[in-house]
Amino acid sequence: KQEVTQIPAALSVPEGENLVLNCSFTDSAIYNLQWFRQDPGKGLTSLLLIQSSQREQTSGRLNASLDKSSGRSTLYIAASQPGDSATYLCAVVWGTSYGKLTFGQGTILTVHP
Amino acid sequence: EAGVAQSPRYKIIEKRQSVAFWCNPISGHATLYWYQQILGQGPKLLIQFQNNGVVDDSQLPKDRFSAERLKGVDSTLKIQPAKLEDSAVYLCASSQRGLAVQETQYFGPGTRLLVL
Repeated sequence: KQEVTQIPAALSVPEGENLVLNCSFTDSAIYNLQWFRQDPGKGLTSLLLIQSSQREQTSGRLNASLDKSSGRSTLYIAASQPGDSATYLCAVVWGTSYGKLTFGQGTILTVHP
Repeated sequence: EAGVAQSPRYKIIEKRQSVAFWCNPISGHATLYWYQQILGQGPKLLIQFQNNGVVDDSQLPKDRFSAERLKGVDSTLKIQPAKLEDSAVYLCASSQRGLAVQETQYFGPGTRLLVL
């Protein structure tokens, strides 16, 4: 069964700290992997999309890496800010689907001043 | 560019009642998705449309859920009759072509349903 798991379920850090969110998936035959951000009462916003042929993607203070052989991805957030507080979701598209996203359960991040 | 629109934003109903949600995707987007997000979980795909045809409805509980996209633009998701376990946020998303799997999906704000 194709599944996505995220650890930890929740994370609280002081402002300015660098942090890593983890995502693992059961089937290495992925097409791509995306990281989303979800704010309370709002929809999902795509942060980074990594194609299966890529090892990492960067956007500002965010860096996402992909290791298909081990079935893992990490989202690195540098110099965290209170505005980064949100739920972060990892989602995978496997090669056998028509763009269908399979999500992990998310990591709730709180950055306190 | 206007985003994905959904209505209503909130709905409270009693079990065994029916409810309908509406979604208007980004103009020109061929693919439309409905996801169910139960509290504490990630979204789960219920149904995917390509224009007005169904691509994937394998996780749609067809005994009580139905969805349509008659003119290939906006879409309606219906639950009849609702159960307590249907309490969730229902998210609509769209993408330009959809079958090109490297595309980004754009999400609406969701409809929060509470079944009492």
